Amino acid sequence: AQRVTQPEKLLSVFKGAPVELKCNYSYSGSPELFWYVQYSRQRLQLLLRHISRESIKGFTADLNKGETSFHLKKPFAQEEDSAMYYCALSAPGAAGNKLTFGGGTRVLVKP
Amino acid sequence: NAGVMQNPRHLVRRRGQEARLRCSPMKGHSHVYWYRQLPEEGLKFMVYLQKENIIDESGMPKERFSAEFPKEGPSILRIQQVVRGDSAAYFCASSPGGANEQFFGPGTRLTVL
Repeated sequence: AQRVTQPEKLLSVFKGAPVELKCNYSYSGSPELFWYVQYSRQRLQLLLRHISRESIKGFTADLNKGETSFHLKKPFAQEEDSAMYYCALSAPGAAGNKLTFGGGTRVLVKP
Repeated sequence: NAGVMQNPRHLVRRRGQEARLRCSPMKGHSHVYWYRQLPEEGLKFMVYLQKENIIDESGMPKERFSAEFPKEGPSILRIQQVVRGDSAAYFCASSPGGANEQFFGPGTRLTVL
């Protein structure tokens, strides 16, 4: 069975400081990994996916298959980064693209 | 394109009543997913549907829950004889194809008294 773990429920950092959100997964094959973000009073939206290998809003995430991790990083946090972040996994080849989510990490960037 | 629409946004039911949650996918999307989020938890997959077909319902409770996505009209998640444990936020997502990005609706918050 696939599982996604986000060990931190809350991360509080000061503006300009680096931020790293941890995500570990368990899956026997080669999954596809995603980070979703939910800003206050907005709907859940895709932030980035590992196959695209791009940086969105200054965030990057590297898939480490050896450590089964997909940590999200940003070198200089901004106040507008305050939001709820969810790591998610899908199993390629399965019917559709159902997502398995972690429990989420709330990021608070203080001025 | 207005995005994925869900209604109602808030729904209050008494124990034993029925709850009907509606999801209108984005224009051109024929794939719909339903997820449930219990308090202080992440979203959990419930069911995946294409037009007129249930493709994967492995996350649906075996009793009282059903889902449909008719040829015309929105997808419906139906919960019969609701219990307090059904209180949660229910999210719908749509995509144009099974392997594409999912776009989420604003959710329906169900409260069972």
